Amino acid sequence: QQQVKQSPQSLIVQKGGISIINCAYENTAFDYFPWYQQFPGKGPALLIAIRPDVSEKKEGRFTISFNKSAKQFSLHIMDSQPGDSATYFCAASGGETSGSRLTFGEGTQLTVNP
Amino acid sequence: GAVVSQHPSWVICKSGTSVKIECRSLDFQATTMFWYRQFPKQSLMLMATSNEGSKATYEQGVEKDKFLINHASLTLSTLTVTSAHPEDSSFYICSASVGWRAFFGQGTRLTVV
Repeated sequence: QQQVKQSPQSLIVQKGGISIINCAYENTAFDYFPWYQQFPGKGPALLIAIRPDVSEKKEGRFTISFNKSAKQFSLHIMDSQPGDSATYFCAASGGETSGSRLTFGEGTQLTVNP
Repeated sequence: GAVVSQHPSWVICKSGTSVKIECRSLDFQATTMFWYRQFPKQSLMLMATSNEGSKATYEQGVEKDKFLINHASLTLSTLTVTSAHPEDSSFYICSASVGWRAFFGQGTRLTVV
């Protein structure tokens, strides 16, 4: 019940294209869903996050779509750039037992070709 | 966003020695900090939850006598890898929470030779 499943494992996109990464969760107590971006040798950086009371959140080129009934959420990167090449992790937290403790997806290695 | 500083960024130590890693929240107070371990091309694995002024809560399978965690103040948590061995070589990352949001340090690359 604590798992967060992320796909795809790797993704190659051309510059200017749309990158889409999907996550699914099982624990209905989760109520906070962040996405993190990690470059090699660095810690993860908070990119964007959503709470279940909205179905979509947009910040610049990054959009989270959230489907509560399907227990799925996704990250869309519009106009992808080579500088977006990194590993992306979805995560979830919430509920009485988890609190602010994050459960991470397996990660997606994104490569944006110039 | 909130800043979490982790030190050192990398460390090489001899087998059998101990290494201390510091995690500081620079512009906020963190009652809870988390310590993760990450292997190459893998996700973050939570090692322990550190609460200020109390004992850390370790995840199943994590040796609490090997990975000593101290959270003495609202801005500082430390992880000490005791009697380090080559299999402890990894990337260690801390995080601190502000409300629901978690911010991560830069990570520490530990190499035990």
